[in-house]
Amino acid sequence: ETGVTQTPRHLVMGMTNKKSLKCEQHLGHNAMYWYKQSAKKPLELMFVYSLEERVENNSVPSRFSPECPNSSHLFLHLHTLQPEDSALYLCASSQVGGDSPLHFGNGTRLTVT
Amino acid sequence: GENVEQHPSTLSVQEGDSAVIKCTYSDSASNYFPWYKQELGKGPQLIIDIRSNVGEKKDQRIAVTLNKTAKHFSLHITETQPEDSAVYFCAASRAKAAGNKLTFGGGTRVLVKP
Repeated sequence: ETGVTQTPRHLVMGMTNKKSLKCEQHLGHNAMYWYKQSAKKPLELMFVYSLEERVENNSVPSRFSPECPNSSHLFLHLHTLQPEDSALYLCASSQVGGDSPLHFGNGTRLTVT
Repeated sequence: GENVEQHPSTLSVQEGDSAVIKCTYSDSASNYFPWYKQELGKGPQLIIDIRSNVGEKKDQRIAVTLNKTAKHFSLHITETQPEDSAVYFCAASRAKAAGNKLTFGGGTRVLVKP
């Protein structure tokens, strides 16, 4: 059982829809991350939150909007996505500071039609 | 930025044999190198990590070596078992106070044949 829980596990949405992905960590960590995993490509870092402040936005299009209301919860709000945005979206958490290991959730499989 | 290359992309081994996966990185300031295992339908799970002040680390059947001069690191799995079949990812980061921003390799699909 992972200490990082992502919901929903699967999501199908049209290009004009608005949806949100949710991540919750039960590990007492204070940094949270969104990664995108596409077929045939390495995992891509999208956003990093450290102590609830966004410290990294890795050139992600504005149709992806993250939110971190507290150190245990992370959201990814989606709107007007493109078919190429279909991928597995992974949330991770870690302690802030130095080389703390990342712990991943099982991801949300997103399909944009 | 950092760039991590991983080889091979697929690896098939007989049960009981050893498996070796190699990664190279580009940023000489990177100082943290984890390895993750990802099974079907699950997220990546950390299996071992090494920091730049150490050349080798072992945990039961798994070992990782780091060559800072050559900027490469390797994962060694001995006495492979069918449950070792998965996709393995290496990663590197220049760990900072505000988050640990990992750059991942492209992954190696390992198949252990019984």
